[in-house]
Amino acid sequence: SQTIHQWPATLVQPVGSPLSLECTVEGTSNPNLYWYRQAAGRGLQLLFYSVGIGQISSEVPQNLSASRPQDRQFILSSKKLLLSDSGFYLCAWAGTTHNEQFFGPGTRLTVL
Amino acid sequence: AQSVSQHNHHVILSEAASLELGCNYSYGGTVNLFWYVQYPGQHLQLLLKYFSGDPLVKGIKGFEAEFIKSKFSFNLRKPSVQWSDTAEYFCAVGSGNTPLVFGKGTRPSVIA
Repeated sequence: SQTIHQWPATLVQPVGSPLSLECTVEGTSNPNLYWYRQAAGRGLQLLFYSVGIGQISSEVPQNLSASRPQDRQFILSSKKLLLSDSGFYLCAWAGTTHNEQFFGPGTRLTVL
Repeated sequence: AQSVSQHNHHVILSEAASLELGCNYSYGGTVNLFWYVQYPGQHLQLLLKYFSGDPLVKGIKGFEAEFIKSKFSFNLRKPSVQWSDTAEYFCAVGSGNTPLVFGKGTRPSVIA
């Protein structure tokens, strides 16, 4: 069966510091991968998605970037964090059928 | 572009009351429809989905949803809620192989 991992689970970082959040999927190959940010009352905001290694689509221009160095690894990064980057970050994967998405446990990021 | 509207971000219900959460979307083509649920402290998980066929779909934990194409709606229902149904519920719409678009969520609180 497929599983999806995210780490770290929680992170507290100072403003201006770099960021690297990692997401890995097991039990499937060539998944579509997604990064979302969840904010209370605002639902899930799609940040990036990838349909293959090295292929990244950005949905919202902002202080973040994403990379997919391996088939089942998706990384969310920032060179310099802003206060507004605080939030709950979710990674998801989908197969090729109807894009049903499966979510990871999320990372709670607090920027101070 | 697709959009999803969920009505009433917060709802308060008594146990055993019936629940209906509204979801409307804007997209004229063939859609795939989903309801996800996020229990406190848990992963976002799939509650039910509609791809084609019978417009009344049944999901886990006694939930069902009805796709009404003419109304662009996919409302979620449960005849008798329990305290354990307190969670945040997200409606999502997809088309083809594009990323899902999520609503802002509805958070029913069930009281004894």
